[in-house]
Amino acid sequence: QKEVEQDPGPLSVPEGAIVSLNCTYSNSAFQYFMWYRQYSRKGPELLMYTYSSGNKEDGRFTAQVDKSSKYISLFIRDSQPSDSATYLCAMTRNTGGFKTIFGAGTRLFVKA
Amino acid sequence: GAVVSQHPSWVICKSGTSVKIECRSLDFQATTMFWYRQFPKQSLMLMATSNEGSKATYEQGVEKDKFLINHASLTLSTLTVTSAHPEDSSFYICSALGQALNSPLHFGNGTRLTVT
Repeated sequence: QKEVEQDPGPLSVPEGAIVSLNCTYSNSAFQYFMWYRQYSRKGPELLMYTYSSGNKEDGRFTAQVDKSSKYISLFIRDSQPSDSATYLCAMTRNTGGFKTIFGAGTRLFVKA
Repeated sequence: GAVVSQHPSWVICKSGTSVKIECRSLDFQATTMFWYRQFPKQSLMLMATSNEGSKATYEQGVEKDKFLINHASLTLSTLTVTSAHPEDSSFYICSALGQALNSPLHFGNGTRLTVT
């Protein structure tokens, strides 16, 4: 079983839709949770960074962490064609050394 | 926000030659930098972890003599692909970890290497 599971998609939505992206994980040692956006042929860009369970909002983006269920989500409101990219979840643990594990990435297409 | 600069953004080289890729943290000091390789439509594959002033730690299956990593300062790490072959063609990305407790990773924009 992979430590982090993320549906690779692709996910196609119309402009203006609410997008929900999700990851599950198996290791309760993960402490920090991140979402990155990666455009084609570019490096990942940090979107959200959270530590505790609950919601964190930044503009049109909301990150949600449920540690009891080992489930994290990223919501994008009023999606735009410019949001079309691959979204990677990532999580970090410090037990047994610092390690960040990435999900496979979900490819999102927002149609105008 | 934190900025990581990676150079060059793309490079084409002939088989058998060596290529050096630089990764710089521009506005913070990075105690640790990471090097990844990414194949099309796949996620990041960690190659090695680089700590300033010490030898890099390589992931299983990554040849340390082929992928030389140097982390000479808190703002610069380099990856040298030695005696490159066409199968080394890939997208290489670095990331940097700040000194602040619980810092997230920040990534460079990647280097597309094509070996002919």
